[in-house]
Amino acid sequence: GEDVEQSLFLSVREGDSSVINCTYTDSSSTYLYWYKQEPGAGLQLLTYIFSNMDMKQDQRLTVLLNKKDKHLSLRIADTQTGDSAIYFCAEGAPNGGATNKLIFGTGTLLAVQP
Amino acid sequence: EAQVTQNPRYLITVTGKKLTVTCSQNMNHEYMSWYRQDPGLGLRQIYYSMNVEVTDKGDVPEGYKVSRKEKRNFPLILESPSPNQTSLYFCASKADRGSTEAFFGQGTRLTVV
Repeated sequence: GEDVEQSLFLSVREGDSSVINCTYTDSSSTYLYWYKQEPGAGLQLLTYIFSNMDMKQDQRLTVLLNKKDKHLSLRIADTQTGDSAIYFCAEGAPNGGATNKLIFGTGTLLAVQP
Repeated sequence: EAQVTQNPRYLITVTGKKLTVTCSQNMNHEYMSWYRQDPGLGLRQIYYSMNVEVTDKGDVPEGYKVSRKEKRNFPLILESPSPNQTSLYFCASKADRGSTEAFFGQGTRLTVV
């Protein structure tokens, strides 16, 4: 079945690193995504990783993928108050799959304390 | 500027009164879809469209209709809204089936009383 799980809440201090975790169940997923949702805004694609990769780094963001454990994480270095948002993990089926949908996790609310 | 535009952003309506939420994209994307976001459930797909006049059900289509008469527009229609359709709705588009990046609208917060 399809299921993507995330913890609901994470609180960090400004300047610390944040690690947001996600587990998924569909081993046929081709791409795994991280989206950011700021209050009152739509979803913004932060980064994605292809399923044959272990790691991807993009400035302050590091994505780690453990395909054996179906575990995905997003590390934000030097977290800033502007990083406060809800972060969604999502998986996408090969070539979009039959319905071309993204399967989203429940979202993790990241609160950054000054 | 490339964008997906939804209207309205906020809507309060009464049970049974038909409404339409519009979605328009200016990127000539083939693929468009609608999601609803509910606390503790993430985003779930309602309907999707691979191209003009090609639409199909997602995971939670009950109580919704869509149409795709033009490439840029993909309206979501609630013929007889009910309180359990109170939610935050997102429209998304992708260039085509194989594209990795989906672009999302700003969201429409619907309350049905």
